[in-house]
Amino acid sequence: AQSVTQLGSHVSVSEGALVLLRCNYSSSVPPYLFWYVQYPNQGLQLLLKYTTGATLVKGINGFEAEFKKSETSFHLTKPSAHMSDAAEYFCAVSDSSYKLIFGSGTRLLVRP
Amino acid sequence: GAGVSQSPSNKVTEKGKDVELRCDPISGHTALYWYRQRLGQGLEFLIYFQGNSAPDKSGLPSDRFSAERTGESVSTLTIQRTQQEDSAVYLCASSPFDRGQGYTFGSGTRLTVV
Repeated sequence: AQSVTQLGSHVSVSEGALVLLRCNYSSSVPPYLFWYVQYPNQGLQLLLKYTTGATLVKGINGFEAEFKKSETSFHLTKPSAHMSDAAEYFCAVSDSSYKLIFGSGTRLLVRP
Repeated sequence: GAGVSQSPSNKVTEKGKDVELRCDPISGHTALYWYRQRLGQGLEFLIYFQGNSAPDKSGLPSDRFSAERTGESVSTLTIQRTQQEDSAVYLCASSPFDRGQGYTFGSGTRLTVV
């Protein structure tokens, strides 16, 4: 069965600092991997996705993630945090069953 | 439509009443999903449709919950005899048959059971 683990329910960084949000998954088949962002009282917005091909994927708002099969990881990074990045971030995995399974989320706090 | 549309956006109901939540997926998306998000928590999978059949309804919490879909169009999630623990945001998403193109979420229905 597929599952997703997000390390750290809260991550706090200073504005301009590196953002690193961790995601590890388990899947019996090559997965599709996604990162979504949720701003307060809003729905989920797709940040980026990995399906096949290049393992380093770039998304919106300067975020990127690297699929590392040997580590079963799909960590999300951004070189320089902005105040507007403060939100909840969800990693999700989909295997051949179509069902999208989410991690428990990481709330990113950005300090001025 | 251009996006996934959910209605109502907010619903307050009395304990014991039945409620219906509606989802209009993106036109042409064959797959449709329902999720529940309790306050401060992650997304809990409820049910998935491919066309109007539901290959996976493993996430429905109890027999008070049911869902149906008309073809590759509108879906309705029904909660009978609502309980306070049903209070949550119910999110709907849709995807094309090639799910690698991504899942698009609606803004959700906030259900409050009083």
